[in-house]
Amino acid sequence: NAGVTQTPKFQVLKTGQSMTLQCAQDMNHEYMSWYRQDPGMGLRLIHYSVGAGITDQGEVPNGYNVSRSTTEDFPLRLLSAAPSQTSVYFCASRYNPGAWGYTFGSGTRLTVV
Amino acid sequence: KQEVTQIPAALSVPEGENLVLNCSFTDSAIYNLQWFRQDPGKGLTSLLLIQSSQREQTSGRLNASLDKSSGRSTLYIAASQPGDSATYLCAVLTGNQFYFGTGTSLTVIP
Repeated sequence: NAGVTQTPKFQVLKTGQSMTLQCAQDMNHEYMSWYRQDPGMGLRLIHYSVGAGITDQGEVPNGYNVSRSTTEDFPLRLLSAAPSQTSVYFCASRYNPGAWGYTFGSGTRLTVV
Repeated sequence: KQEVTQIPAALSVPEGENLVLNCSFTDSAIYNLQWFRQDPGKGLTSLLLIQSSQREQTSGRLNASLDKSSGRSTLYIAASQPGDSATYLCAVLTGNQFYFGTGTSLTVIP
């Protein structure tokens, strides 16, 4: 049981480049989400999905796109990276409804130069 | 919007001491509250999950309590050890979203 798997673990991008952060879970969780963690600001929700084909915006969605074609996968796309997107990104999943806790991936540390 | 506050932001204690970490939230309409541990450069590890209908949960040396009406939770760590040094985060599920506090950074001095 792998839980929530994020790839890559580290990434350096140049301003304007695009990339996709991968997230996969094998627990058949309906709910998946992406957070960014910045010093002094805690975890902030970027996008979330309550099931395949359904996505919605969180607190800080600008500059990011998501899709959910399968229950297992929830990739996060940066269309044109900016230095302000330098952060640690976490994917998390849980069962729906919310009587269950979150399981987190190990994170992706992204630096945009 | 739900706001979650954790006090203190940092705490340093000698080994063996019992300690309490605090979490408060502004909207009492929560489904559950979860305590996490985060080691430097690592992801979040779930410690305890308290459902809204529960008052407390225990796991080993950890005990978490929930007072939903007053918007407070505490994480009690008994007989602290240097291996407990980490950042502790609380999160509450309100509506369809978890809201996180900014954490308490704990250092246990040998």
